[in-house]
Amino acid sequence: DIQMTQSPSTLSASVGDRVSITCRASQSISTWLAWYQQKPGKAPKVLIYQASSLESGVPSRFSGSGSGTEFTLTISSLQPDDFATYYCQQYNSYSAFGQGTKVEIK
Amino acid sequence: QVQLQESGPGLVKPSQTLSLTCTVSGGSITSGSYYWSWIRQPAGKGLEWIGRIYISGGTNYNPALTSRVTISVDTSKNQFSLKLSSVTAADTAVYYCASWDFYDGRYPPLWGQGTLVTVSS
Repeated sequence: DIQMTQSPSTLSASVGDRVSITCRASQSISTWLAWYQQKPGKAPKVLIYQASSLESGVPSRFSGSGSGTEFTLTISSLQPDDFATYYCQQYNSYSAFGQGTKVEIK
Repeated sequence: QVQLQESGPGLVKPSQTLSLTCTVSGGSITSGSYYWSWIRQPAGKGLEWIGRIYISGGTNYNPALTSRVTISVDTSKNQFSLKLSSVTAADTAVYYCASWDFYDGRYPPLWGQGTLVTVSS
């Protein structure tokens, strides 16, 4: 099974900060990786798919990069609406999720 | 635009079988190259992949759940379903159905809104 390790588990930041979240796969998944944003009581929302493709309607301050085993989600300038929990998901071999990163107000 | 919607009982007794259905609207479940999956999330915890089915082949399940899970498809109703047997309180969670492209990744994953299932007597 492919395991996903996401870091950090919590991130404290201020509005306007540039923040990055990392996801590592236990073996290569090419670019079969998605990033999600989840707010309390809501379903996960797709931000990025295929490692770097921006989902329609998602602000351009979100970007994804990486291939193989290491991936990064970057928010270029954190906005008030971005405080949420973020998950990565590999969908190359079966599927698995990272443990999540809670982005909190500093 | 394709949409997914989960349905099923919100309360299941311990030791019984949890049964959920995902209805695909706005497109055919047989078109394209998609995995049709189930995912769950206990309150306050992370996301757990349960398993998947694809129209041209079979099923794959999370090894931690494989002895209790069955996923099936009904193409005539444009639906796929989840059965989880011998449930306990640990199976209480929001259950999501989802799909993703396995051919070239051109299309983003698609999720339903989720349905809460509580296991309690």
